[in-house]
Amino acid sequence: DGGITQSPKYLFRKEGQNVTLSCEQNLNHDAMYWYRQDPGQGLRLIYYSQIVNDFQKGDIAEGYSVSREKKESFPLTVTSAQKNPTAFYLCASSRRRDRGVLLNTEAFFGQGTRLTVV
Amino acid sequence: SQQGEEDPQALSIQEGENATMNCSYKTSINNLQWYRQNSGRGLVHLILIRSNEREKHSGRLRVTLDTSKKSSSLLITASRAADTASYFCANDMDTGRRALTFGSGTRLQVQP
Repeated sequence: DGGITQSPKYLFRKEGQNVTLSCEQNLNHDAMYWYRQDPGQGLRLIYYSQIVNDFQKGDIAEGYSVSREKKESFPLTVTSAQKNPTAFYLCASSRRRDRGVLLNTEAFFGQGTRLTVV
Repeated sequence: SQQGEEDPQALSIQEGENATMNCSYKTSINNLQWYRQNSGRGLVHLILIRSNEREKHSGRLRVTLDTSKKSSSLLITASRAADTASYFCANDMDTGRRALTFGSGTRLQVQP
């Protein structure tokens, strides 16, 4: 089945620890994104990547880091510098370009990882 | 900063009624999209409307876009209990930023 997979579904972190959230897609999409969602709120952009080995900060990148070594994978590390990491984290992917032409395309989302600091 | 704002924040209706949600944004856009989120799940794409389009239909969904007012609306006709979810608009800005910017969402409750 084609899709985007996030793991784990639930994650508990002790204060001061770094944790890494996994996001994998087999849709052959160029672009991948990480969003954070707090209870009853919309999505805020953490980082995004349009192509392998390249990524850009979103609106709330402080305390987070990412890598894009493979087209299929875009892991997010929540570092100890993130003071309030408890949230629902959503990964998404989309096609962005076709032969250099920018496309207007939809984003496909994973099922999310709920991170709780204990 | 968040670009989109939606209203109402919450909406409760009876099955069979229509539900209308509104979305405003701040910058020029390539397109505007609507997504649905069931509680505790990921988002699912519903419909995309391009900046040069004014109205679009998909099944029981009707989306309008007014670029002069920087606003969009989503109408769900003949609602069903299964439509209960949160609905988000997301705009694809016409800037160097190549990622969707989401609104704050409308929580729709459809009473059977």
